[in-house]
Amino acid sequence: NAGVTQTPKFRILKIGQSMTLQCTQDMNHNYMYWYRQDPGMGLKLIYYSVGAGITDKGEVPNGYNVSRSTTEDFPLRLELAAPSQTSVYFCASSSHAGVSNQPQHFGDGTRLSIL
Amino acid sequence: LAKTTQPISMDSYEGQEVNITCSHNNIATNDYITWYQQFPSQGPRFIIQGYKTKVTNEVASLFIPADRKSSTLSLPRVSLSDTAVYYCLVGDIGAGTALIFGKGTTLSVSS
Repeated sequence: NAGVTQTPKFRILKIGQSMTLQCTQDMNHNYMYWYRQDPGMGLKLIYYSVGAGITDKGEVPNGYNVSRSTTEDFPLRLELAAPSQTSVYFCASSSHAGVSNQPQHFGDGTRLSIL
Repeated sequence: LAKTTQPISMDSYEGQEVNITCSHNNIATNDYITWYQQFPSQGPRFIIQGYKTKVTNEVASLFIPADRKSSTLSLPRVSLSDTAVYYCLVGDIGAGTALIFGKGTTLSVSS
């Protein structure tokens, strides 16, 4: 019963480097999300997807890119890492809402430091 | 997107009932109210969701008045393990919009 799996759990990057945060879910959920959480703050939505091939910007998309080629996977790409992107990144998924919201299931997060 | 307002922090003792109120004055007709719990170093976890009146599950109760401009999460007989941040979210993901997490309410339970 894996749910939402994020890799890596921790990473340190140098300024200007790039990396991809991986997220996969095994619940056949249509909706997937990427959030960042800075210390002592709530979660801010970076990007989300309502299905394979469809992505949309959230509150803070600058500096990030996403793709959704399959239902299961929703990778987040940082092209030119900056210190302001030091944060904890959470991936989440939820089933198609229909007439009611479905709860989001979260991964355990990726702790990213940019030095 | 409906904005929510909740207290920044609350303190309680073990065994007490805790009520956390969330204001959402511009809630839309199709919006649902959802509460999440987050422990340090973990992702948020779904607690309860409702549209109107009262919803109860094994963890909590959610009270929503008729005008739906606020909601109250009720945690019966809290324990030390209920110390966490609680988020109130309002929205209709079925409409293609995403939910907004605020700063949440930090609940501290003491013995």
